Amino acid sequence: NAGVTQTPKFRILKIGQSMTLQCTQDMNHNYMYWYRQDPGMGLKLIYYSVGAGITDKGEVPNGYNVSRSTTEDFPLRLELAAPSQTSVYFCASRATGEGNYGYTFGSGTRLTVV
Amino acid sequence: ELKVEQNPLFLSMQEGKNYTIYCNYSTTSDRLYWYRQDPGKSLESLFVLLSNGAVKQEGRLMASLDTKARLSTLHITAAVHDLSATYFCAAMNYGGSQGNLIFGKGTKLSVKP
Repeated sequence: NAGVTQTPKFRILKIGQSMTLQCTQDMNHNYMYWYRQDPGMGLKLIYYSVGAGITDKGEVPNGYNVSRSTTEDFPLRLELAAPSQTSVYFCASRATGEGNYGYTFGSGTRLTVV
Repeated sequence: ELKVEQNPLFLSMQEGKNYTIYCNYSTTSDRLYWYRQDPGKSLESLFVLLSNGAVKQEGRLMASLDTKARLSTLHITAAVHDLSATYFCAAMNYGGSQGNLIFGKGTKLSVKP
C-alpha cells in the first residue's frame, strides 16, 4: 500500500532553474493538494485538483503551475526558482463521498533554492 | 477568510503533567483536524472532529470541538517523552469552489523527564 508518493525527497536548485515535483497516489482519490511548509509555520495551500483535468489555485500559487492529466498524478512545476521558494512541499490526497474525511500526506520534498 | 490560530506555539512540559493546546478559527467550519509531525517527517492524522461537542480520545490525547465558540482543544494527560512533536490543527475552508484545509502554525511540544 504505497499511499501518496513524492519524488524527489531532497533537491537543491539554483536561482532561475526549473523543476517538477512529482506526486502519485494509488488510492483512486479524486482530490489532490500541494502544500508548502516554511520553518515554524503551518502548511499553506498552493494548488489543488478535484479530478483529472481540473485544477484551482490555493492561498500561495504564484511561481507555480500544476496539471492533472490522470487521477493518479499531480505534478507541481516551478518555472523560475527563487530563494523564496525554499520550503518543504507536501502532496496530499483524499477521497470524496460520504464518510471520507481523511487526508493522506506524502513524505515531502525538501527544496533549497540558492 | 478563514484563519486558524493555535496557542501556545511552544510548550515545554514535564512528564506526568497535563496540558491543553487551543485552536481557534475565525469563521464557520464543520470539520476540524489534528495532526502530529515529528522533525523531518510528514503529517500523521490524529483526529477528525465533525460536529459540535465531538470528543475523541486516543491514548493520552483527547480532542474536542465547540463549533459555537469556534474552538477546538487537544488535551494531553500525563505526558510522556514520546509525545514530543509539533501538533497542528486545521479547519475545513469552504470559501472556494471546494473545501480545503487551513492550518494553524503548530504547537511545538517538548516533554522533559
